[in-house]
Amino acid sequence: SAVISQKPSRDICQRGTSLTIQCQVDSQVTMMFWYRQQPGQSLTLIATANQGSEATYESGFVIDKFPISRPNLTFSTLTVSNMSPEDSSIYLCSAQNPPGNEQFFGPGTRLTVL
Amino acid sequence: KQEVTQIPAALSVPEGENLVLNCSFTDSAIYNLQWFRQDPGKGLTSLLLIQSSQREQTSGRLNASLDKSSGRSTLYIAASQPGDSATYLCAVNAGNNRKLIWGLGTSLAVNP
Repeated sequence: SAVISQKPSRDICQRGTSLTIQCQVDSQVTMMFWYRQQPGQSLTLIATANQGSEATYESGFVIDKFPISRPNLTFSTLTVSNMSPEDSSIYLCSAQNPPGNEQFFGPGTRLTVL
Repeated sequence: KQEVTQIPAALSVPEGENLVLNCSFTDSAIYNLQWFRQDPGKGLTSLLLIQSSQREQTSGRLNASLDKSSGRSTLYIAASQPGDSATYLCAVNAGNNRKLIWGLGTSLAVNP
């Protein structure tokens, strides 16, 4: 199994600002993902973070709003840009190794935008 | 298009009861199925992973079964405890891109 940590665990931000969330895995993993979970909802996949190349975004999510970096096999960041109250959610990082095997999740980042 | 449904949406039981959570999926061509637990405001904990070739997996008081032909999985929790109170999510790994398709979860409350 993989142990995943996220920073920050929570934040309260002002409208129009940006927040970068960090995700650290304790071992090298093939796949890393970023999810959003809005209040009372299940998880929505934002993008697959690709090591050394641009992330693969799901329908409805764009790089300008959610830029993602993955410089190596253990670390990734998600930035929520130009935030609005609708971005208030829990953001979750996950890892999977190799593709199709068990997926593990970080503790999540609870974001509130005022 | 793969869809995952979980029934019931919420469940409240007294401590000590055995219970079953249900997950159904519309396309039987899956790679695997995973059950997760989520505590309020927290991340997800992986409970059990069942590969498409397997019928069931067990971990402690938890037993998950998979019937691909009928598009169903069940999570059996034996001798429930208040600490089992959480939301239980089912996710199917399917398709060429192997992304997880999620159910909406079952919110479980085990009362002392």
